[in-house]
Amino acid sequence: DSGVTQTPKHLITATGQRVTLRCSPRSGDLSVYWYQQSLDQGLQFLIQYYNGEERAKGNILERFSAQQFPDLHSELNLSSLELGDSALYFCASTPTESSYNEQFFGPGTRLTVL
Amino acid sequence: GQSLEQPSEVTAVEGAIVQINCTYQTSGFYGLSWYQQHDGGAPTFLSYNALDGLEETGRFSSFLSRSDSYGYLLLQELQMKDSASYFCAVREDSGGYQKVTFGTGTKLQVIP
Repeated sequence: DSGVTQTPKHLITATGQRVTLRCSPRSGDLSVYWYQQSLDQGLQFLIQYYNGEERAKGNILERFSAQQFPDLHSELNLSSLELGDSALYFCASTPTESSYNEQFFGPGTRLTVL
Repeated sequence: GQSLEQPSEVTAVEGAIVQINCTYQTSGFYGLSWYQQHDGGAPTFLSYNALDGLEETGRFSSFLSRSDSYGYLLLQELQMKDSASYFCAVREDSGGYQKVTFGTGTKLQVIP
């Protein structure tokens, strides 16, 4: 158990819908990262937040957005969902804003878009 | 831009040694990490190399050559539970911030 929690564990929805994925970092960690992993693919970095502020952006679609709240939990919002958005979404956390070598990953949210 | 290359699949026998290579092309390189991911599970950190040389952690070792933009993960005394995907990840500078870019992963199958 990494100490990072993600909810929900599974999510099934339809094309065109909007969903929100939630992540709580390890106690004391200020930085949260979001990744997308499609079937048999590597981890695609989406976005990083540190202490409530956006720090780095990867290949995140305009239909996707994220935020980090004062209690440091983060939410990833996915809208106008398409079939290709079906994937595992992981969040990870680290103590500071630098992408340290060791990121602690949550168990992931499996999103299925039908 | 950046790119990482690692073999897509490797098969090895239980008790043997296997080496998973990773080559990278990036600017502002800080270090190379390795993560293990079992099917359906979350990635877990294995090792990190910032300097040239070999780092050993139990049955796993990781090597880095910055001049060759190359690293590898060495797994010794393979066990069936080592069957998993292994990702190398580069920590690099990106627009004044650091970020981590993951490779596409190597699926290791350990056979009896």
